[in-house]
Amino acid sequence: GAVVSQHPSWVICKSGTSVKIECRSLDFQATTMFWYRQFPKQSLMLMATSNEGSKATYEQGVEKDKFLINHASLTLSTLTVTSAHPEDSSFYICSARETGRVSGNTIYFGEGSWLTVV
Amino acid sequence: KNQVEQSPQSLIILEGKNCTLQCNYTVSPFSNLRWYKQDTGRGPVSLTIMTFSENTKSNGRYTATLDADTKQSSLHITASQLSDSASYICVVSASGTYKYIFGTGTRLKVLA
Repeated sequence: GAVVSQHPSWVICKSGTSVKIECRSLDFQATTMFWYRQFPKQSLMLMATSNEGSKATYEQGVEKDKFLINHASLTLSTLTVTSAHPEDSSFYICSARETGRVSGNTIYFGEGSWLTVV
Repeated sequence: KNQVEQSPQSLIILEGKNCTLQCNYTVSPFSNLRWYKQDTGRGPVSLTIMTFSENTKSNGRYTATLDADTKQSSLHITASQLSDSASYICVVSASGTYKYIFGTGTRLKVLA
């Protein structure tokens, strides 16, 4: 089946530094990818929708200058948390929508990335 | 406002027992409804996906139902196993959009 890979699985960084998380669709092309944030015992919160070759669409309340999203190819989207602060510590998950499927609406999730800012 | 509500919020059952999780939604126009299983610290894994015309769909011990008239769905787990302990998330998408509205999830704990 379709696989979405996230890297790194977990990362610890110092306050003020930036960290990049990658989301790759391994065996399919994904025109659209989504980035989520999840706090403990809560559901996923959509941060932004990433479209290949164009600017990401951010949800209300999500700072686009802080969470930089790049979707340069049909198989890779990156989320960069800039000038990270401890409150940015969270579980970040991406999902990818498979392009060209008859169903047209199949999405697959990555395994998530734990970010801890110290 | 498009919303997805799940109940119960958490559930504890004994191994081998059955259970049913509920999902009510107000998403319109409706496209499809998915159930996902999310282990702690892992990404969600798809269990079922149902469109408007589908009333029930099974995946092993998991059976999802959909009543598009009442906008309700349920996920029934048969003969629960310890490995079923996880969060179960109901996700509804609206037609003409790539937006997916997530429920808050039901945390299931299966005890030996």
